Amino acid sequence: DVKVTQSSRYLVKRTGEKVFLECVQDMDHENMFWYRQDPGLGLRLIYFSYDVKMKEKGDIPEGYSVSREKKERFSLILESASTNQTSMYLCASRIGGGNTGELFFGEGSRLTVL
Amino acid sequence: DAKTTQPPSMDCAEGRAANLPCNHSTISGNEYVYWYRQIHSQGPQYIIHGLKNNETNEMASLIITEDRKSSTLILPHATLRDTAVYYCIVRVANSGNTPLVFGKGTRLSVIA
Repeated sequence: DVKVTQSSRYLVKRTGEKVFLECVQDMDHENMFWYRQDPGLGLRLIYFSYDVKMKEKGDIPEGYSVSREKKERFSLILESASTNQTSMYLCASRIGGGNTGELFFGEGSRLTVL
Repeated sequence: DAKTTQPPSMDCAEGRAANLPCNHSTISGNEYVYWYRQIHSQGPQYIIHGLKNNETNEMASLIITEDRKSSTLILPHATLRDTAVYYCIVRVANSGNTPLVFGKGTRLSVIA
C-alpha cells in the first residue's frame, strides 16, 4: 500500500517555539505538498516541492518554511509558532510531471499553539 | 484552473444512491474533473477523475455533462462510512507540478 506518514498526529507547543512537522512518503514521488485545514476555510496550500531541494510558495506561506533534502521527506517548519497557526496540517505527495496522478495524503497533524 | 461550485451539505439515506453535483461552467477543454473525499479526522482520499467520458471505478461513478459545465459523483449504495466532505476540483491536464486547489466541498451525511 502507498503511504504518506506524518510524524505526529497531535502536538501542543507554546508561542515562540520552533516547530518541525515531518512527512515521509514511500512511493518515490517527486511532488510533495503541505496544506493546512481550518473550519470554514477548507484546505489551503502553504508550500509545495516538485523535486529535491526545490520549493514553491503556496497561497499562505507567511510564517512557514520548508525543507526537502531527500526525495522522500518534506518538512514544514514554524520558526516561531503563534496561536493563529493552531490548525490541522496535511501533507500530500504525487508523481511529478505532466500527468493526472492522484494526490496521496497523510493522516494529518493537529497542532495546538498555546 | 476553473472554479467549482458545490452545495455545502447533503443528506442521503443508507443504501440509496448519493448524487453529488458540481458546477464548473468555466471549465476549459483540457481540464480534468477530480473528486476527493475527506472522512472526519483523516486526510483527503482520491475517488475518481475524468475528462469528458463517464467514468466508473470500485468506489463511484462520475457523470460529466456533454457540455462539460457540470458533473455528478454517484455513490451507488451509500453506507454510513461514506459520510464525509466531498471535493470537486478541476485541473488543467499536463499542468506539470502545479498543485490541486481544494474548495470547501459538500458535506455528505449518510443517515441510517
